[in-house]
Amino acid sequence: QVHLQQWGAGLLKPSETLSLTCAVYGGSFSGYYWSWIRQPPGKGLEWFGEINHSGSTNYNPSLKSRVTMSIDTSNNQFSLMLSSVTAADTAVYYCARGRYQGDYFDSWGQGTLVTVSS
Amino acid sequence: DVVMTQTPLSLSVTPGQPASISCKSSQSLLHIDGKTYLYWYLQKPGQPPQLLIYEVSNRFSGVPDRFSGSGSGTEFTLKISRVEAEDVGVYYCMQSIQLRTFGQGTKVEIK
Repeated sequence: QVHLQQWGAGLLKPSETLSLTCAVYGGSFSGYYWSWIRQPPGKGLEWFGEINHSGSTNYNPSLKSRVTMSIDTSNNQFSLMLSSVTAADTAVYYCARGRYQGDYFDSWGQGTLVTVSS
Repeated sequence: DVVMTQTPLSLSVTPGQPASISCKSSQSLLHIDGKTYLYWYLQKPGQPPQLLIYEVSNRFSGVPDRFSGSGSGTEFTLKISRVEAEDVGVYYCMQSIQLRTFGQGTKVEIK
């Protein structure tokens, strides 16, 4: 049974860079696509993008200029960086797994609340 | 962008009664491979979303058979045949034919 555990700084100031990491326990790591999704308080879900084991990425164009995803196959981890954050980036951030590019998400991390405030 | 529009945005249901949620996409979700890339998720309070239905009508592993999905092209429906207390939460449709976008969510509560 796969388990996704995520962590990162929960409080940022405007203009700083958000950094989150998701570790994958159990199951295969290299055979999947790994995504980040966020949910502003009381609002809906927004997909950031996905990365596979070879580092191939597919980003949401609306966020692409500020997003960097990376992967560490030796530790079964993947990461999200979002630059120049503003209050609008305050949200719960989730990592999630898909079997292939464009697939549904069958496993999710527990979520990390990131608050941007001066 | 593919825009997903759900109706209604909220639903209050008596236990044991049926419920239905509609999801419309701004373009067809039918791919040339023959699959339709429409999914349904339920987000229970304080939890990440959980997959209910994939490719319009296929129940994910462990999902009770009171949940069913239907539709084609740009119009889709999630039905709960008999709502139970554990079904409360926010239901989202999602498309993946072009990147991923979600509907606004439909909040289901028990009367």
